[in-house]
Amino acid sequence: GENVEQHPSTLSVQEGDSAVIKCTYSDSASNYFPWYKQELGKRPQLIIDIRSNVGEKKDQRIAVTLNKTAKHFSLHITETQPEDSAVYFCAAIKSGDDKIIFGKGTRLHILP
Amino acid sequence: DAGITQSPRYKITETGRQVTLMCHQTWSHSYMFWYRQDLGHGLRLIYYSAAADITDKGEVPDGYVVSRSKTENFPLTLESATRSQTSVYFCASSVWGRLNTEAFFGQGTRLTVV
Repeated sequence: GENVEQHPSTLSVQEGDSAVIKCTYSDSASNYFPWYKQELGKRPQLIIDIRSNVGEKKDQRIAVTLNKTAKHFSLHITETQPEDSAVYFCAAIKSGDDKIIFGKGTRLHILP
Repeated sequence: DAGITQSPRYKITETGRQVTLMCHQTWSHSYMFWYRQDLGHGLRLIYYSAAADITDKGEVPDGYVVSRSKTENFPLTLESATRSQTSVYFCASSVWGRLNTEAFFGQGTRLTVV
């Protein structure tokens, strides 16, 4: 099955700076890549996703890039704010998969 | 989101006891999932279900049992609880399938096994 590696496990950035979280996947047939955000004590929620027919997708301060050749995708958060502090999870899924296997997560700390 | 609810929110049980965690969704989503969340391990899939009466194992199914007699309910049972099953449990649902769409999570159940 698909194996997703996520790095780093912890990331601290100064407020206003950018943050990048990277994931690699093993199955070249994977074609859907969602990112979930989990604030402290809350449930995970989808924040952005990308499909394999595009290389980049943006939504205000967050963006996801996909490199199918290298089999990696990244989450970019610009102009970070305190409310960006959370754990972020990635996943890589192919059509026909019945399940979502997540990466181990990245705890992002935004420093004042 | 009132659409998917878990109960109880908190549970303390003794080693060896049977305990059932409930999950109910009102969207008629075909897919439902159970995850456990532990520090250093992220979200690990326990069991999932593609439709009523269809269930399958995930990454860490040992010690757990699920059923899905109705589309809206997906209970998770720990047959004989162990301390290693102390965790936060999340249920999720999705229309999934070929659309590979968003999964909606319940608010979680914090289970402590003493």
